[in-house]
Amino acid sequence: GDSVTQTEGPVTVSESESLIINCTYSATSIAYPNLFWYVRYPGEGLQLLLKVITAGQKGSSRGFEATYNKETTSFHLQKASVQESDSAVYYCALGENNNAGAKLTFGGGTRLTVRP
Amino acid sequence: EAAVTQSPRNKVAVTGGKVTLSCNQTNNHNNMYWYRQDTGHGLRLIHYSYGAGSTEKGDIPDGYKASRPSQENFSLILELATPSQTSVYFCASGAGLGTSQNTLYFGAGTRLSVL
Repeated sequence: GDSVTQTEGPVTVSESESLIINCTYSATSIAYPNLFWYVRYPGEGLQLLLKVITAGQKGSSRGFEATYNKETTSFHLQKASVQESDSAVYYCALGENNNAGAKLTFGGGTRLTVRP
Repeated sequence: EAAVTQSPRNKVAVTGGKVTLSCNQTNNHNNMYWYRQDTGHGLRLIHYSYGAGSTEKGDIPDGYKASRPSQENFSLILELATPSQTSVYFCASGAGLGTSQNTLYFGAGTRLSVL
């Protein structure tokens, strides 16, 4: 089946440091997977951070970016300079797109703590 | 503002008891989903729905039932709760059609403990 593997947390970095959270996927049942990063801030539900639907493209949001690499089946999340407000749990996800609707396969989540 | 609201936010249940988790969305989305999140696992899909009156089994449906009485409401039912169902449950809604509409919108989660 389809699966997503991402950096196991927790990850702790200091403010203004760079960040990379690794994500690799296996899409055995989806011909053209869409890739997502969701984020969950304390006390809130998951919310979409960024998504990319075409291989080779890059998505970006709030200073984060991720490139859909079909050759390495990866979708790593990067940020050049993190802020304390970035502390959250980050989830990489894989989805199919069809007329019946979106079903997502999630990675285990990576808890990020940014020290002031 | 469009939202997905779950209730209760926290629940303690006894083994063998019946538990109902409720979800309401004001997004006017066709699709709704129930996931559970456990330490070391990603969110796993339990049941989902394409619209009122429809329920579909997800990847881990055993021990759970779902009900979609209206466009807005989607419930997850544990008829005989077991300690293995202790988890955090997330409801989500999604428009369901087209490449630009496969984003899911999540509730804040329900933390369930079965003792």
